[in-house]
Amino acid sequence: DTGVSQNPRHKITKRGQNVTFRCDPISEHNRLYWYRQTLGQGPEFLTYFQNEAQLEKSRLLSDRFSAERPKGSFSTLEIQRTEQGDSAMYLCASSSNLAWGMFFGSGTQLSVL
Amino acid sequence: KQEVTQIPAALSVPEGENLVLNCSFTDSAIYNLQWFRQDPGKGLTSLLLIQSSQREQTSGRLNASLDKSSGRSTLYIAASQPGDSATYLCANSQGGSEKLVFGKGTKLTVNP
Repeated sequence: DTGVSQNPRHKITKRGQNVTFRCDPISEHNRLYWYRQTLGQGPEFLTYFQNEAQLEKSRLLSDRFSAERPKGSFSTLEIQRTEQGDSAMYLCASSSNLAWGMFFGSGTQLSVL
Repeated sequence: KQEVTQIPAALSVPEGENLVLNCSFTDSAIYNLQWFRQDPGKGLTSLLLIQSSQREQTSGRLNASLDKSSGRSTLYIAASQPGDSATYLCANSQGGSEKLVFGKGTKLTVNP
């Protein structure tokens, strides 16, 4: 296992389009997180899954955002009707409740034109 | 609402120097505090985690301390190397939540 994998690495879309990102966590990790990061800022928490259950969701996650983690494995983050303000790096991370360490993927860079 | 501040925003030092990065937070009721490293265009790498009951953690040339009462943490890097050049972020979580609140980071450049 080579770590947390995110696809695509880059996504350019037009305002109003829907986009979906995928995250494959480290296989034995039961916890999965989504964060959003803009230039010069620290990451902002979006949502957290333990196995397939979405246990925490930020107020930043408007009704245009939805995340899923079917079967407690990979996760998808969908943004509907994208806006220019959605342009950011979307980071996924995973961890295990059996060992310390939060592992981040390289992110998906979204540009909304 | 928890706010995390990191000072300085950027730091440039010659190779071999010892340095300290600072992190402060407004709500001292934290569960743990973590330090991360981020290389340009990449995700974050966990460096150190300090539980709220601990005062410091060490890993190699890195030492992180935590003073909850004053709402401060420091990351000490000994004998800095060009490979240490990156942005260093601190983050904390509060009881009952998995959410990490991050600072904006300190961009470190170590010049050969």
